Amino acid sequence: NAGVTQTPKFQVLKTGQSMTLQCAQDMNHEYMSWYRQDPGMGLRLIHYSVGAGITDQGEVPNGYNVSRSTTEDFPLRLLSAAPSQTSVYFCASSSSPGVSGNTIYFGEGSWLTVV
Amino acid sequence: DQQVKQNSPSLSVQEGRISILNCDYTNSMFDYFLWYKKYPAEGPTFLISISSIKDKNEDGRFTVFLNKSAKHLSLHIVPSQPGDSAVYFCAASSHTGTASKLTFGTGTRLQVTL
Repeated sequence: NAGVTQTPKFQVLKTGQSMTLQCAQDMNHEYMSWYRQDPGMGLRLIHYSVGAGITDQGEVPNGYNVSRSTTEDFPLRLLSAAPSQTSVYFCASSSSPGVSGNTIYFGEGSWLTVV
Repeated sequence: DQQVKQNSPSLSVQEGRISILNCDYTNSMFDYFLWYKKYPAEGPTFLISISSIKDKNEDGRFTVFLNKSAKHLSLHIVPSQPGDSAVYFCAASSHTGTASKLTFGTGTRLQVTL
């Protein structure tokens, strides 16, 4: 029972490089989202999707790009990495766009360092 | 503008005692409040939630209290166990048209000592 799977778990990038964080869920959830966690900031929403082909911006979308071609996958692309994007990234999925409490499942996180 | 605040970054409690974690919010449009627990190197896991129309929800050792007039909620853990040592995030849900979004607090690190 995989749930929400994120890859890679750790990555070091040079400033200006691009990369994609992968996220896959096997629960047939319509709603998927990406958060970043920084010290003293909690988790902040980057982008989210309510279904295949539908994405929208969250609280901190700048420097990131997403697409949702399938229900299962929701990759997060860093277009030109900056040191300010050093963070822990969490992918999450939910059974419906409406959050009713116990339906959001998080992946284990991806630790990204930009030097 | 931090809409969900957890003013205590850490809390230490003896095993068997009560742990009380606090959370304040500013947005009166939040309709659900949730607590997530996070161990190091793992993703957050859901713990308990409460609807904005209720003032208490209980699940085993965990109880969440909501005081809407004070815009304050708290998580009580009784009795506290060493396995409860983790970071606890308070989160609040609001609707934006196409979906609901969670706004998280900054977290409180709970240490349960023997």
